Amino acid sequence: GESVGLHLPTLSVQEGDNSIINCAYSNSASDYFIWYKQESGKGPQFIIDIRSNMDKRQGQRVTVLLNKTVKHLSLQIAATQPGDSAVYFCAVLSGNTGKLIFGQGTTLQVKP
Amino acid sequence: EAQVTQNPRYLITVTGKKLTVTCSQNMNHEYMSWYRQDPGLGLRQIYYSMNVEVTDKGDVPEGYKVSRKEKRNFPLILESPSPNQTSLYFCASSSSSGLRSGYTFGSGTRLTVV
Repeated sequence: GESVGLHLPTLSVQEGDNSIINCAYSNSASDYFIWYKQESGKGPQFIIDIRSNMDKRQGQRVTVLLNKTVKHLSLQIAATQPGDSAVYFCAVLSGNTGKLIFGQGTTLQVKP
Repeated sequence: EAQVTQNPRYLITVTGKKLTVTCSQNMNHEYMSWYRQDPGLGLRQIYYSMNVEVTDKGDVPEGYKVSRKEKRNFPLILESPSPNQTSLYFCASSSSSGLRSGYTFGSGTRLTVV
């Protein structure tokens, strides 16, 4: 079955630096990808998404890059702030049932 | 405010005692789903519903039931809870025309079965 993996379980960055969180997926037919942020005690929150007909999409301080050739997805956070500390999940839409397959999550720690 | 509301937030129960976790959304979404989140295993889908009276199994449905009698509500039922169902549960919803628009998640229900 389809799988989604993240490269690093934990990422520690200095406040103000840029953060890059990576994700790999297995199904080359996947066409929709999402990044979620989960703060302690809360449910996952939508950050940004990208469809397979795009390579890059930008939001406010966040950019998602999609490399379909190597089935790799990344989330870039510019000028990381303490409020960005959370667990970040990538998710891939699987099939036509609406199921999202989630990666394990990367914990982002922002050092002051 | 558009939201998915789960109740209760925390629940401790004993093995075998039936329980229901409620989920309600106010966005008129057709699609609703339950996930459980466990350390090292991530988020796994339990059941989903494409619309009223339409439900189907996800990846880990054993020991759970759901119903979708109304569009806004999607309760999760544990008929005979066991300790391996101790987990953090999330309900989520999405418009079916916007399955490619991500889910809105509830705040979670932390269930402990002793």
